[in-house]
Amino acid sequence: RKEVEQDPGPFNVPEGATVAFNCTYSNSASQSFFWYRQDCRKEPKLLMSVYSSGNEDGRFTAQLNRASQYISLLIRDSKLSDSATYLCVVKGDSNTNAGKSTFGDGTTLTVKP
Amino acid sequence: GAGVSQSPSNKVTEKGKDVELRCDPISGHTALYWYRQSLGQGLEFLIYFQGNSAPDKSGLPSDRFSAERTGGSVSTLTIQRTQQEDSAVYLCASSSEGGDFEKLFFGSGTQLSVL
Repeated sequence: RKEVEQDPGPFNVPEGATVAFNCTYSNSASQSFFWYRQDCRKEPKLLMSVYSSGNEDGRFTAQLNRASQYISLLIRDSKLSDSATYLCVVKGDSNTNAGKSTFGDGTTLTVKP
Repeated sequence: GAGVSQSPSNKVTEKGKDVELRCDPISGHTALYWYRQSLGQGLEFLIYFQGNSAPDKSGLPSDRFSAERTGGSVSTLTIQRTQQEDSAVYLCASSSEGGDFEKLFFGSGTQLSVL
């Protein structure tokens, strides 16, 4: 089983739609959680960190459920420019390995006119 | 520099040759990471450095792979006796020390093609 698992998609949605991505992680000792965005043939870039209480940044909302080891990303009012691959990232699997960030394989989103 | 710099951006080599990939992190960033990404796949963790030491080398696929970092800055990833399955984009990232939520800044990667 992979350490971080995501539904690969692809998700094809019309502009204005709401779409949700899910991610599960296997190591209960994981300490920090993130969503990164990767455009085709580009490097990943941080979209948002995920806090225990949940957090929102404009049209994007991230949630964390430590008990279920589950992270989600909700995108409201999708734009064409949201088309990308979204990577779930889990950081730290112990006090001695706090720096290691493990990436999921990503979920591909295509927003269509 | 303004961002993470990787060189070369593209490398074509013959099977069996050695290659060196270079990463120049953002000035002042103490943590440095190497990942690789095959076409259509996710990022595979290789190794990370805190300063010049590597707490976790578990991701290196074989003993043909090695990495070093000197002066707390530039890092070199070396692949000896390259194989076709080594073909991938090798990505380097850096981050500042401290805090659970520091972000990773990625370079544009080195596209390695082993013929």
